[in-house]
Amino acid sequence: QITLKESGPTLVKPTQTLTLTCTFSGFSISTSGVGVGWIRQSPGKALEWLALIYWLDDKYYSPSLTSRLTITKDTSKNQVVLIMTNMDPVDTATYYCAHRDKARQGFDYWGQGTLVTVSS
Amino acid sequence: SYELTQPPSVSVSPGQTASITCSGDKLGEKYASWYQQRPGQTPLLVIYQDSQRPSGIPERFSGSNSGNTATLTISGTQALDEADYYCQAWDSNAVVFGGGTKLTVL
Repeated sequence: QITLKESGPTLVKPTQTLTLTCTFSGFSISTSGVGVGWIRQSPGKALEWLALIYWLDDKYYSPSLTSRLTITKDTSKNQVVLIMTNMDPVDTATYYCAHRDKARQGFDYWGQGTLVTVSS
Repeated sequence: SYELTQPPSVSVSPGQTASITCSGDKLGEKYASWYQQRPGQTPLLVIYQDSQRPSGIPERFSGSNSGNTATLTISGTQALDEADYYCQAWDSNAVVFGGGTKLTVL
C-alpha cells in the first residue's frame, strides 16, 4: 500500500524559506521508474506543478519557479524534500506530494496535502 | 511555455455522457492524464497514457487523444462524478496541468 504525507510549517512570513518534507511508504524511490513530485493548489484555483525528482536523481522544475525551488531525496529515510525560497502571500496554497511512475506519466498516489499560509 | 486549455465548466444530466476536452499544441503526440478532484478532496488519477484506467476506476471513465485535443468521456454520469477535472501532460521536461473543468451533474 502506497502512502505519502506532507509535513512542514503551516505559517511562514514573507521572504522566508519554506521547507516541506514528503514521507512515503509502500515504495522505494531507488526503484527504476519511480518519481515523487510536488504540486500546489491555491484556494479555489487550479493545480500547479512545482517539481519532480526521479530514482536516478533527475530533477525537473516548473519554468516559472525554477529559481526558487530545490528538490532532493533521501532514499534511506523514504523522504523527498522541497525547498522554496522568498515566500510571498501569493504562495499561500495547499502543497501536495505525489508518486509518479515514469512510464505511466501520471501522479497515481497523492498525499493529503498541507496548507501553507504566507503572512506577516 | 506549454499550455493546456480546458473549458471552465461542463454540465450533464444524470445518466448522460459527459465529454471534457483539453487542448494543446500537438497534444496527440504526448501522453495525457486526467484527474478528478471532488470538493475538499485530493486529486485522483482517473486516466493515464491517454486512455488507460488505474485499478479501481469505473469503466464509465474513458479517454482519447488525437491531434491537438485530449478528451475525457464519462458515460452514464452519476451524481458522484460531480467534481473538478484536470488534464495533464509532459512537455519540454515539465509537467503541465490544464486549468480545470468543473463538471456539474444537473
